[in-house]
Amino acid sequence: AQSVTQPDIHITVSEGASLELRCNYSYGATPYLFWYVQSPGQGLQLLLKYFSGDTLVQGIKGFEAEFKRSQSSFNLRKPSVHWSDAAEYFCAVGAGSNFGNEKLTFGTGTRLTIIP
Amino acid sequence: DARVTQTPRDKVTEMGQEVTMRCQPILGHNTVFWYRQTMMQGLELLAYFRNRAPLDDSGMPKDRFSAEMPDATLATLKIQPSEPRDSAVYFCASGLGTGEQYFGPGTRLTVT
Repeated sequence: AQSVTQPDIHITVSEGASLELRCNYSYGATPYLFWYVQSPGQGLQLLLKYFSGDTLVQGIKGFEAEFKRSQSSFNLRKPSVHWSDAAEYFCAVGAGSNFGNEKLTFGTGTRLTIIP
Repeated sequence: DARVTQTPRDKVTEMGQEVTMRCQPILGHNTVFWYRQTMMQGLELLAYFRNRAPLDDSGMPKDRFSAEMPDATLATLKIQPSEPRDSAVYFCASGLGTGEQYFGPGTRLTVT
């Protein structure tokens, strides 16, 4: 069964500083990987996804993530954070679009706080 | 800008009452998911549908929860009878079966 670990429950970053959120997954084949963001009182919004091909994927709001098969990781990065990036971030792994396998397994989330 | 809509946004009810939550998936999406989010358990998948057929409801307490898709534009999640431990935010999401899911704003349920 697939699983996702987000080792950092809470991260605090200064505005303008760089950000890296960690995500490790467990899956037997090539996974489909996602990062979602949840602002307070809102639903989850898709930031970016990896299905295949280039291991560095670009997303919305200036975020990027790199798939590293050897490390089973899919870390999220942003070169310079803005106060509006304060939110909860979820990594998710899916088995792909095989019949009956559209389900995603979500990590427990990392709460990001931005300080001035 | 196509979005998943959910009603009601907030619901406060007394223990033992029936609760119905509704979701309108994005037009053309063929998969619909129901999740529950709590501080203690995080995000849990309750049930999901493809082409209106239930594929997996193993995450749902069968004795009190039920999920249906009466038509392609409406998904419902019912709790009868409701209990205080059902208090949570319930999210609906829809997708095209590619793995990407688009979430609604959620229904915050409080059972007193």
